[in-house]
Amino acid sequence: EPEVTQTPSHQVTQMGQEVILRCVPISNHLYFYWYRQILGQKVEFLVSFYNNEISEKSEIFDDQFSVERPDGSNFTLKIRSTKLEDSAMYFCASSPGTSGGARTDTQYFGPGTRLTVL
Amino acid sequence: AQSVTQPDIHITVSEGASLELRCNYSYGATPYLFWYVQSPGQGLQLLLKYFSGDTLVQGIKGFEAEFKRSQSSFNLRKPSVHWSDAAEYFCAVGAYGDMRFGAGTRLTVKP
Repeated sequence: EPEVTQTPSHQVTQMGQEVILRCVPISNHLYFYWYRQILGQKVEFLVSFYNNEISEKSEIFDDQFSVERPDGSNFTLKIRSTKLEDSAMYFCASSPGTSGGARTDTQYFGPGTRLTVL
Repeated sequence: AQSVTQPDIHITVSEGASLELRCNYSYGATPYLFWYVQSPGQGLQLLLKYFSGDTLVQGIKGFEAEFKRSQSSFNLRKPSVHWSDAAEYFCAVGAYGDMRFGAGTRLTVKP
């Protein structure tokens, strides 16, 4: 069964450094998402991406964040200057976009990348 | 704005007992509701979803959920819990592709 993959599984970085989290969505999916989960807290929506542009973003997704689909398979989340509070599990998800849009789609989640900012 | 409330942070049940996890939502239009499960160190797996139609939804692993518009609820149920069901359960409401999750309910299963 196709699945969303994410690399690396764990990333450790120094405060102020840039990190890029990588995701390979399911191949025929059209919508892509990033979520984060701070330890012990709820999963929070960051951004959705469709047709090579951001379609929705939350208040968390500020100027330090950016997303890109650099080729036909990868979907990346870049954090320009990491802060301690960026430490979290980051989940990528994708959905097919075949049910009249993202609203009714099932989102398929990857296993997550644990980001630790020191 | 849409939001989801899961009133129970932690629930403990005995193996073989029935289970009900509560979820209340706030959303201005027709909600699209989901239940996900997260095992330790794992990603989120979809258990079931509700968009329209029959308000009792069947999912994987023997789970079901009932949508009650009058109560703004979408509670998850299982008639007989197995030890492997121990995990974190998240209710979510979806709108235009941005899903909002509840805080989660951690399920512990006693032998």
